[in-house]
Amino acid sequence: SAVISQKPSRDICQRGTSLTIQCQVDSQVTMMFWYRQQPGQSLTLIATANQGSEATYESGFVIDKFPISRPNLTFSTLTVSNMSPEDSSIYLCSATAEGRNTIYFGEGSWLTVV
Amino acid sequence: QKEVEQNSGPLSVPEGAIASLNCTYSDRGSQSFFWYRQYSGKSPELIMSIYSNGDKEDGRFTAQLNKASQYVSLLIRDSQPSDSATYLCAVWSGGSNYKLTFGKGTLLTVNP
Repeated sequence: SAVISQKPSRDICQRGTSLTIQCQVDSQVTMMFWYRQQPGQSLTLIATANQGSEATYESGFVIDKFPISRPNLTFSTLTVSNMSPEDSSIYLCSATAEGRNTIYFGEGSWLTVV
Repeated sequence: QKEVEQNSGPLSVPEGAIASLNCTYSDRGSQSFFWYRQYSGKSPELIMSIYSNGDKEDGRFTAQLNKASQYVSLLIRDSQPSDSATYLCAVWSGGSNYKLTFGKGTLLTVNP
């Protein structure tokens, strides 16, 4: 199984600032994803992080707000830009290895915007 | 819009009973199906995966898949208070748009 590490695990951010979340996987994976889980809600896919190219964003999410990088097979970052209280959520990195039979999640980054 | 629907819950069962969690999905091209457990304040934890029609058993957990009916379920036998959590059904889409879509989750409470 893959172990996914995220940091920061928790942060309190000021309105209007930006925060970058890092995701590191302990083995090479084929696909990496970023999800958001707002309070009391299920997981919503933000984007698929593509190695060496622009991420593929889901409807309702844009690159200017959520820039994503994936410079190699095991590392990705998500930036939440110009934060507002509505961005207070858990942000989860996930990854799947070859064959896509199992999808793993990191422990999540819990962001509170004040 | 590819959707995954779950019982709204909450579902409450007595300790030792069977808990039954249900999920339907809209994308007939879906290939893989997962059940995740999420404790309050924690990230989702994969507990079962199923890829073909029929039943798959793992300890006290049984996943059931019926692709013709676009239906997947999770049975938890001999439910324990430690099973109290939100259970998320997730569906892996096929075709060229690989992604995992989650249902809203069902909150299960097992009463001692």
